[in-house]
Amino acid sequence: GENVEQHPSTLSVQEGDSAVIKCTYSDSASNYFPWYKQELGKRPQLIIDIRSNVGEKKDQRIAVTLNKTAKHFSLHITETQPEDSAVYFCASQPRGGYNKLIFGAGTRLAVHP
Amino acid sequence: NAGVTQTPKFRVLKTGQSMTLLCAQDMNHEYMYWYRQDPGMGLRLIHYSVGEGTTAKGEVPDGYNVSRLKKQNFLLGLESAAPSQTSVYFCASSPFLGDQPQHFGDGTRLSIL
Repeated sequence: GENVEQHPSTLSVQEGDSAVIKCTYSDSASNYFPWYKQELGKRPQLIIDIRSNVGEKKDQRIAVTLNKTAKHFSLHITETQPEDSAVYFCASQPRGGYNKLIFGAGTRLAVHP
Repeated sequence: NAGVTQTPKFRVLKTGQSMTLLCAQDMNHEYMYWYRQDPGMGLRLIHYSVGEGTTAKGEVPDGYNVSRLKKQNFLLGLESAAPSQTSVYFCASSPFLGDQPQHFGDGTRLSIL
């Protein structure tokens, strides 16, 4: 079945550094790729998403890139701050409709002051 | 605007007991989903619904039942709880339009002894 692999599982950076999280997906028909941030004990919240007709999207310090040929997409966070510390999940929306999502296993990001 | 509301927030059950988790959304979304979240395994889809009166199995449906009698509500039932069902359960909803994100509730932390 459809699968999303996410790396790394943990990431530790110093405040001000950049962080990159990478995901690969298996269903070549996938067209929508959201990223969620989950703080401890809270709900997953959408932080950015990208659709297959776009190669890159930016929102302030956050950017996502998509390579459909290679079936991988990445989240880039620049100038990291302690409040960026959380678990980040990538997801892909496979064929079949109904906006179903397949999630990666998550990356625990720690930003140290 | 409440978004997606889950009740209860916490619950402890004994093995073999039954219970129902409630999810309500006020965004007039067609699609609704139930996930379980276990450490290191991301979010796994239990069941989903594409409209009032419809339900379908997700990735890990065994041991759970669902009902969607009203568009705004999606119920998840455990008929005979097992320790393996100890988890955090998230409900989400999404609009009918394709390539749209899912919006999550705050979760229900369920422990089964």
